[in-house]
Amino acid sequence: DAKTTQPNSMESNEEEPVHLPCNHSTISGTDYIHWYRQLPSQGPEYVIHGLTSNVNNRMASLAIAEDRKSSTLILHRATLRDAAVYYCILRQSNDYKLSFGAGTTVTVRA
Amino acid sequence: DAGVIQSPRHEVTEMGQEVTLRCKPISGHNSLFWYRQTMMRGLELLIYFNNNVPIDDSGMPEDRFSAKMPNASFSTLKIQPSEPRDSAVYFCASSQATGGSQPQHFGDGTRLSIL
Repeated sequence: DAKTTQPNSMESNEEEPVHLPCNHSTISGTDYIHWYRQLPSQGPEYVIHGLTSNVNNRMASLAIAEDRKSSTLILHRATLRDAAVYYCILRQSNDYKLSFGAGTTVTVRA
Repeated sequence: DAGVIQSPRHEVTEMGQEVTLRCKPISGHNSLFWYRQTMMRGLELLIYFNNNVPIDDSGMPEDRFSAKMPNASFSTLKIQPSEPRDSAVYFCASSQATGGSQPQHFGDGTRLSIL
């Protein structure tokens, strides 16, 4: 499985943007980049995914580097509810598995 | 929309007892997954069903664990006999289809404590 590298933790202030980096230098051409988050005492929650182009949805934006070896999840205005562990995961196009690493613990200060 | 529903939310039982965890996937989803989360090992896939058929059970720890999916709207994970090291949070997830582009939707989990 292709691996991802994320910082252990990040802090942000409420209502400010949060940029979460993910390195995946061994990504293959058929790997999708997925982001999930897990709030305390809840199950993982799908955030966004992409293949080559940048993606936007109601929760976040995903910026993918041109060489696809890194990506950034962008939360445009952090709220206290965005405090969670964020996981960056690679999935091959024919793969059913989600392999969770340690993720990035995001803390949001009021 | 109803998400993935798991029951019970919490279970505390004594070592040696049988434990049954239940999951109702999102209607219309044909893939179902059971995961386990512990501090030591993080989130691990235990078993994957597609169209009610177990496809990959390589993550099931040992014979004490079994999972069934009798129909498209219900699955169980059973531990018999239970041991303290089985204490963990167990998550069920479902997806509309398999494949790298398909999101998985998780329930809120069952927190299992074996005394």
